[in-house]
Amino acid sequence: DGGITQSPKYLFRKEGQNVTLSCEQNLNHDAMYWYRQDPGQGLRLIYYSQIVNDFQKGDIAEGYSVSREKKESFPLTVTSAQKNPTAFYLCASSEGTGPYGYTFGSGTRLTVV
Amino acid sequence: DQQVKQNSPSLSVQEGRISILNCDYTNSMFDYFLWYKKYPAEGPTFLISISSIKDKNEDGRFTVFLNKSAKHLSLHIVPSQPGDSAVYFCAASNAGGTSYGKLTFGQGTILTVHP
Repeated sequence: DGGITQSPKYLFRKEGQNVTLSCEQNLNHDAMYWYRQDPGQGLRLIYYSQIVNDFQKGDIAEGYSVSREKKESFPLTVTSAQKNPTAFYLCASSEGTGPYGYTFGSGTRLTVV
Repeated sequence: DQQVKQNSPSLSVQEGRISILNCDYTNSMFDYFLWYKKYPAEGPTFLISISSIKDKNEDGRFTVFLNKSAKHLSLHIVPSQPGDSAVYFCAASNAGGTSYGKLTFGQGTILTVHP
């Protein structure tokens, strides 16, 4: 079965530490995205990549970094520079055609302790 | 600047009745619109979409209406069922009428359907 796998589902981080969230897809999609969900603010775009070895900043990229070395993988690093990292993080991918938009992973809940 | 807005944070409906969820947008370049449904601690799942060349798209109990002049779209669920209780996100893109490209999401509306 094709899909997107995000791991871990829950993650705890101490203040001042970097942490990397994993996102892997086996849908052969070209484009991948990272969103952050906060209560009352919907989904906000952090970074996106439309092709391997290329990525673009979204609306709230400060304090985050990404890489796209393989088509299947788009890891997100939350750095210590991110002032309010506690949130629900969603990874998505799209094939660029058809009416279905994105396929989302099940998300990672990051909590800073 | 919130380009996609869902002004109703929540909606409560009786089972069997119609649910109407609304969404407004400000960017006239948006040409493709989607609705997603999300349960707690899960990723959103695609529900229905509409291109700007249409004003209505229907899929079973779900119908999306687009009013381009008013920059407004709505999702109708008839009849509503308790399993429809979830958060509904409206999303828009400027992708030449395809689903490619980054989506801009609204804040979401929590729908509760009472038995």
